[in-house]
Amino acid sequence: DTEVTQTPKHLVMGMTNKKSLKCEQHMGHRAMYWYKQKAKKPPELMFVYSYEKLSINESVPSRFSPECPNSSLLNLHLHALQPEDSALYLCASSQLGQGLGKNIQYFGAGTRLSVL
Amino acid sequence: KNQVEQSPQSLIILEGKNCTLQCNYTVSPFSNLRWYKQDTGRGPVSLTIMTFSENTKSNGRYTATLDADTKQSSLHITASQLSDSASYICVVGAGNNRKLIWGLGTSLAVNP
Repeated sequence: DTEVTQTPKHLVMGMTNKKSLKCEQHMGHRAMYWYKQKAKKPPELMFVYSYEKLSINESVPSRFSPECPNSSLLNLHLHALQPEDSALYLCASSQLGQGLGKNIQYFGAGTRLSVL
Repeated sequence: KNQVEQSPQSLIILEGKNCTLQCNYTVSPFSNLRWYKQDTGRGPVSLTIMTFSENTKSNGRYTATLDADTKQSSLHITASQLSDSASYICVVGAGNNRKLIWGLGTSLAVNP
């Protein structure tokens, strides 16, 4: 099973809402990632969790709050977002052991987020 | 500065034809080079990954080459199909345990 599952597939929220994006993998990967992707741009790394601990935060605004409850799950909590936060949010996972730059990342299908 | 450049930016070909996409990179220290296929609104799917010592790697109708001396890679698609229409992204992994360096992608359209 090489699947990373993301829910929901689409999300529309107002600027005062609180919502969460969910990501799940059962490949035994101990690194999990959140990316943000705008149209016609490559994915931008937001957060990396290694062994369920936050290891990289790419200076992401605090209105995005990641959480890794266990080795299979990764959440991204959203609060007080801005319209410019509308994007495709991608979750990925990979093995660890040789460094983050050396392992294949498996991506989910993404959550299309629209902030009104 | 670590950088990955791809060409062409977009490409239109007829079904059944072959095509080659290019990737030039300046990433140090280099660890590996990947090609991803991304359908519109979907997550990227890995096609190939090559390390410094590998010159070529195939995955079905996709063949990637790597010249580590000139820091160039290509992705050759044989006998294109309509389902090959997607963005193809070259991504270089750095050997210093940091994040991947992404190119902007080549948008490929295969027309009947």
